[in-house]
Amino acid sequence: NAGVTQTPKFQVLKTGQSMTLQCAQDMNHEYMSWYRQDPGMGLRLIHYSVGAGITDQGEVPNGYNVSRSTTEDFPLRLLSAAPSQTSVYFCASSPRDSGYGYTFGSGTRLTVV
Amino acid sequence: GQNIDQPTEMTATEGAIVQINCTYQTSGFNGLFWYQQHAGEAPTFLSYNVLDGLEEKGRFSSFLSRSKGYSYLLLKELQMKDSASYLCAVRDGVWSGNTGKLIFGQGTTLQVKP
Repeated sequence: NAGVTQTPKFQVLKTGQSMTLQCAQDMNHEYMSWYRQDPGMGLRLIHYSVGAGITDQGEVPNGYNVSRSTTEDFPLRLLSAAPSQTSVYFCASSPRDSGYGYTFGSGTRLTVV
Repeated sequence: GQNIDQPTEMTATEGAIVQINCTYQTSGFNGLFWYQQHAGEAPTFLSYNVLDGLEEKGRFSSFLSRSKGYSYLLLKELQMKDSASYLCAVRDGVWSGNTGKLIFGQGTTLQVKP
């Protein structure tokens, strides 16, 4: 199993550009989430999904869109990148009822200039 | 709303014991998790508590008191490789189960010194 795969690992965007961060998991997990992590801060929840076709907003959803057309994939779209979106983004997945919480991808380091 | 508090930084000596506290106030509760995160890496799972009491796993133990909204992570026999951030996270819950929403505290950076 590859686990949770995020692409790209690094990205530089210009202000106003749009892009999609990809996330795929091969563990048949129902739950998936996107987090951002800024220096000295914990993980902040952007959006999450409890299954295909179902998404919900987390703590900091503004400027981001998600969709969940399949169990495996949960892409995060930046509509119009802003310097404030410079961050490390983590995708994570979990079975519905699990004492192991979420398994995290290796992260995408995004810089918006 | 959700509010999860941890100390920002802690320092301890190699071979010693350290306790990292976490307090939470959340609208729902379906489990508390501790994660370890080394600099530049993804978080990795350490422990899970859903009932009151102590869960022990090798050098690491975690305690939960749901009535007090309080948890701690206990690290024994500290090693240099334990220098990392430790993240407390609460999974939201409703009467029918969990909502899939996992909220993190800001994390505690632990420095282990020789």
